[in-house]
Amino acid sequence: GAVVSQHPSWVICKSGTSVKIECRSLDFQATTMFWYRQFPKQSLMLMATSNEGSKATYEQGVEKDKFLINHASLTLSTLTVTSAHPEDSSFYICSARSITAAMNTEAFFGQGTRLTVV
Amino acid sequence: GENVEQHPSTLSVQEGDSAVIKCTYSDSASNYFPWYKQELGKGPQLIIDIRSNVGEKKDQRIAVTLNKTAKHFSLHITETQPEDSAVYFCAASYGAGTALIFGKGTTLSVSS
Repeated sequence: GAVVSQHPSWVICKSGTSVKIECRSLDFQATTMFWYRQFPKQSLMLMATSNEGSKATYEQGVEKDKFLINHASLTLSTLTVTSAHPEDSSFYICSARSITAAMNTEAFFGQGTRLTVV
Repeated sequence: GENVEQHPSTLSVQEGDSAVIKCTYSDSASNYFPWYKQELGKGPQLIIDIRSNVGEKKDQRIAVTLNKTAKHFSLHITETQPEDSAVYFCAASYGAGTALIFGKGTTLSVSS
């Protein structure tokens, strides 16, 4: 099946610094990518929808200035956590759907990024 | 927006037994319902999905049923094995450009 690569798989950063997470669709083009956040033993919560060439759409309660999303190409979306704080520590997961597939196609997920802010 | 409820939150079965996990959704426009298995520290892996024009789908030991009228769908795992132990999530969406909305997850434990 199609592959979505997410990098890094884990990162530790100091409070106040920024961290960038990359999400790449390796063998298909994705007009839209999605970013989720998952706390321990909880479900995946949608943070934002990343649209190629336009601004991301953020879910209610998600700070767009804190979680910067860029989707500059059909195969790459990035999430930058700015001025990170310990409460931003979480598991971040991206997802992508192919633009060439039929409606309701499978959503492919990256392997996730474990962010720890100290 | 869409809301997905999932039950039970935990499920313990003996090896060889069947396991059933149920989900309900709120948005009648939703027409794609996948199930994911997630192991600790990893991203979710699709195990089976169903579209709204189908009532049931089966893949070896795994099956999913969909009742559009009642807006609920279920995952059935037969002849469970210890390696089936994981967290399972149901999800719903409408259209290829929309996000999946997830249920809260079910922790399945299969003891030998």
